Amino acid sequence: GNSVTQMEGPVTLSEEAFLTINCTYTATGYPSLFWYVQYPGEGLQLLLKATKADDKGSNKGFEATYRKETTSFHLEKGSVQVSDSAVYFCALSDTAGGYQKVTFGTGTKLQVIP
Amino acid sequence: DGGITQSPKYLFRKEGQNVTLSCEQNLNHDAMYWYRQDPGQGLRLIYYSQIVNDFQKGDIAEGYSVSREKKESFPLTVTSAQKNPTAFYLCASSISPRGESPLHFGNGTRLTVT
Repeated sequence: GNSVTQMEGPVTLSEEAFLTINCTYTATGYPSLFWYVQYPGEGLQLLLKATKADDKGSNKGFEATYRKETTSFHLEKGSVQVSDSAVYFCALSDTAGGYQKVTFGTGTKLQVIP
Repeated sequence: DGGITQSPKYLFRKEGQNVTLSCEQNLNHDAMYWYRQDPGQGLRLIYYSQIVNDFQKGDIAEGYSVSREKKESFPLTVTSAQKNPTAFYLCASSISPRGESPLHFGNGTRLTVT
């Protein structure tokens, strides 16, 4: 079956530092890949997505590239802010038997300190 | 604004009681999902529905039941058969069952059973 592995957190960074959160996956077929963000006490929000190999998703200064050769979708941001503190989930999605099947990683908590 | 509304935000019940969590969407999405979130375990799929009057078990359906009588509504009942019901429950929807469709989440219901 499909699986997603994320680096364990928490990740603690100073404001303006460079962020990388690693995500690797195993899947049959050609899934779409997503990053979601969750702020305390809230649901998940879509951060970015990529639907095929070599696609780059980007939003709010965050980027991730769909690397089929390394089965990875690492999240990066050049300069983090305190407001980026949240839990980040990597996910893959494909269609199986006519139904959308989404597999999530366990989440990585990011803490940005001033 | 369109979105997903989950109510209530916090719910407290005694062991042995059934409880129903509400999920309403006005996004006109066909597909709806229920996930359970526990610390360190990511999101696990309970049930999903692609169309009205049709729903399928997810990975952890035991002790839960759902209905889909209207496109907008997908309530989840946590029954007394669920051995460990205390968790954060998230409802989601997507515009189609295709893998590239992102999920839209509500803000969740935190259920505590004592």
